[in-house]
Amino acid sequence: GAGVSQSPSNKVTEKGKDVELRCDPISGHTALYWYRQRLGQGLEFLIYFQGNSAPDKSGLPSDRFSAERTGESVSTLTIQRTQQEDSAVYLCASSFSPSGSPYEQYFGPGTRLTVT
Amino acid sequence: SQQGEEDPQALSIQEGENATMNCSYKTSINNLQWYRQNSGRGLVHLILIRSNEREKHSGRLRVTLDTSKKSSSLLITASRAADTASYFCAWLSGSNDYKLSFGAGTTVTVRA
Repeated sequence: GAGVSQSPSNKVTEKGKDVELRCDPISGHTALYWYRQRLGQGLEFLIYFQGNSAPDKSGLPSDRFSAERTGESVSTLTIQRTQQEDSAVYLCASSFSPSGSPYEQYFGPGTRLTVT
Repeated sequence: SQQGEEDPQALSIQEGENATMNCSYKTSINNLQWYRQNSGRGLVHLILIRSNEREKHSGRLRVTLDTSKKSSSLLITASRAADTASYFCAWLSGSNDYKLSFGAGTTVTVRA
């Protein structure tokens, strides 16, 4: 079946512009995660959605970052007034259920964002 | 910010050799997972080891966990060119059951 998809795969934007990154999770997966990966580093947790519960936004680095999810489907990560330090790969993952460890997250290919 | 480390940062081996990489973390954990990331692609889950387990095998992969030392190792035996990738450890800690923390990764190059 289809995996997690993300679009665009690459995005180059000018400093100060807003960008929207999209994630389509695996159908039926109730949990969705956004991560940021800076060059040569591991992943940093950004935000987590689980069903209709309030999202965990504790990883968002500033109020320029926001994310939405419609039901248990598509999610959009928005970065306003982009800065050069926002340049990174943004990865989305989904899982069937986060509760009852252990579980597995399925990752999309990521969006590589470059802010010039 | 990183809450653990992986070493080595990079590893180059000949096809057929074994590759070992280590992960250290700082908190108590529920489980520890290893992921592989091929260049330009997303992460693929390899193996999970629970906090009450000491060793686990999956095909050519062997994972150990030492909770007293807060460390884990991943061994890839009889490496192949297709094993060339970055490998990350990740863990869940405390009462959290979804927020993975990641190590910085080990980049493995397998020479044919």
